[in-house]
Parts: sequence; C-alpha cells; structure tokens
Amino acid sequence: AQSVTQLDSQVPVFEEAPVELRCNYSSSVSVYLFWYVQYPNQGLQLLLKYLSGSTLVKGINGFEAEFNKSQTSFHLRKPSVHISDTAEYFCAVTQGAQKLVFGQGTRLTINP
Amino acid sequence: DTEVTQTPKHLVMGMTNKKSLKCEQHMGHRAMYWYKQKAKKPPELMFVYSYEKLSINESVPSRFSPECPNSSLLNLHLHALQPEDSALYLCASSPAGGWDQETQYFGPGTRLLVL
Repeated sequence: AQSVTQLDSQVPVFEEAPVELRCNYSSSVSVYLFWYVQYPNQGLQLLLKYLSGSTLVKGINGFEAEFNKSQTSFHLRKPSVHISDTAEYFCAVTQGAQKLVFGQGTRLTINP
Repeated sequence: DTEVTQTPKHLVMGMTNKKSLKCEQHMGHRAMYWYKQKAKKPPELMFVYSYEKLSINESVPSRFSPECPNSSLLNLHLHALQPEDSALYLCASSPAGGWDQETQYFGPGTRLLVL
C-alpha cells in the first residue's frame, strides 16, 4: 500500500522568504502525486499534481514541486511567501483507483 | 462551473436526531466522495460513488448512510451519531469514475457538531 510522510508538522517562515515543504512517499509502482492546500475553515484546493513527464511541476500561487523517483520525494517549494500562504498543506498519493492517501499535513505559518 | 457545493455549512445535532448533508457538482463528474476530517488531521475517505453506484465503503458505521440520487448529487444521511463523529465532512468529485490519475475537487465542507 502507498503511504505518504510529511516530515514537518509545522513550518514557520518570515514573509518574502523561500520555503520548502517536504513529502516522501513509499510505493513500488507508478505513482500519481498531489499537493493540496487548506486555508482556515475551508475545503481543500489543488495546488499542483504530478502524473508523468517533466519532474518539475508548476502550480498555482507561485508554488512548484519536484518529483524525485530515486529519493521517493515530492517536495513543495515557493521562492517568496506571503502572509496569505498561511495554511495547512497536504501531500497525497493515489492508492489504486478512487483512493487518495494523504500525509499528516504541514502547517505553514508566515510571520511578518 | 468548477465548483463543488455543500450544504449546510454548519450543523449542530443531538445524538437522537436525523439529519442529512448535501453535496452537488455540475461539472459532469462521474465519481463522488465523502471524507471525514478531524481537527488537525488529514481527510479520511468514507465512501466513493462511481457512476452512481457505491464502489467503496471504508468500513464506516451504519449510522452514516450515503445516497447518490443522480450523477450531480450526493447525500450523507446521519442518524444516532456520537459526539466523536463531530468533524468537518468534505465532499469531492472527480471526472471519470475515479481512476488513479484523476484529480479530486473538494467542496468547502460541512462542520458537524454532535451534542
């Protein structure tokens, strides 16, 4: 079964600093990977996804992620964060059809 | 229209009440999902409907009863819930029946409090 590990439960960052949120997955088969963001009191919004092809994936709001098969990682990055990026971020991997397995989440806090 | 809507936004119910949560999408998606999310935790899959048929039930207690009347609508009927069922209930949909490459699109959720 696929699983996802988000290595940091909380990441505090100053505004306009770069950030990396780490995600590792375990799978012996082809993987399809997703990053979702959840703003306070809201549902989940897709940031970006990796299905195949280029290992560098660009998403919304200036985020990007790099799929690294040898390190089984899919880290999320943004070169300069804003206060509005404060949210919970979930990495997820599909586990067969219709099942999405989420990591435990990383709370990103942006300090002025 | 790229939106999944959920009603109500908030719900408070007693343990003897019967209530229903509603989810709607008009994107022509053929798979719909119910998730439960406790505070500071990731969403947990409860049910999946694919082409209006229940395809996955993640061993959810029978006090939760899903229903998919048509391809745009998904209900979750609640009866005799426990306080530990208090959570955010999220609905999602995906385009073609839930293949593993599909993106799931989430609604804003219903925040349920069971007293």
